[in-house]
Amino acid sequence: ELKVEQNPLFLSMQEGKNYTIYCNYSTTSDRLYWYRQDPGKSLESLFVLLSNGAVKQEGRLMASLDTKARLSTLHITAAVHDLSATYFCAVDMVGNTPLVFGKGTRLSVIA
Amino acid sequence: EPEVTQTPSHQVTQMGQEVILRCVPISNHLYFYWYRQILGQKVEFLVSFYNNEISEKSEIFDDQFSVERPDGSNFTLKIRSTKLEDSAMYFCASSAQGLEQPQHFGDGTRLSIL
Repeated sequence: ELKVEQNPLFLSMQEGKNYTIYCNYSTTSDRLYWYRQDPGKSLESLFVLLSNGAVKQEGRLMASLDTKARLSTLHITAAVHDLSATYFCAVDMVGNTPLVFGKGTRLSVIA
Repeated sequence: EPEVTQTPSHQVTQMGQEVILRCVPISNHLYFYWYRQILGQKVEFLVSFYNNEISEKSEIFDDQFSVERPDGSNFTLKIRSTKLEDSAMYFCASSAQGLEQPQHFGDGTRLSIL
């Protein structure tokens, strides 16, 4: 059974600081996703990572994938308040199988 | 940008009643999904749908649940005889074919069972 673990589950960070969120998954997977969810809102796709060593960046967020370690990281650079949200990683297999989500990391960026 | 739309945004129903949650996936997408998220918890898969039939379902998706694509645009989730524990946010998602195509989620329907 495919399981996804995220840590930390809660993260409070100061504006301007850097931090990394970790996502481990239990079995071989073809794709890894990062989604953002604001309170009471839907899930917004941030990144899709396919291959070992893949790195993608968008603004202050950078995601990477190590398929051998079954680990993805979401690195936040110089955090700003607008990044406050819950971040989920999810994995699936090619063939449009269901997404298996982690529990999410609730990020609060404070002044 | 095309998006997945869901109606209603909030549904309040008495326990034991039937509810139908509606979704309009993105028009050129081929794969459709329902997920649910109990307040404060992670997102859980319910069912996937492709080529007019269920392709996969989870343990949560028991005989109480059904899905339908009644026409070329709508994708519905029916919950019969609702229970208190069905209270959750229900998300519809759709995706196109392709390795880097993420699932796009609707804004969700908040279902409250009284």
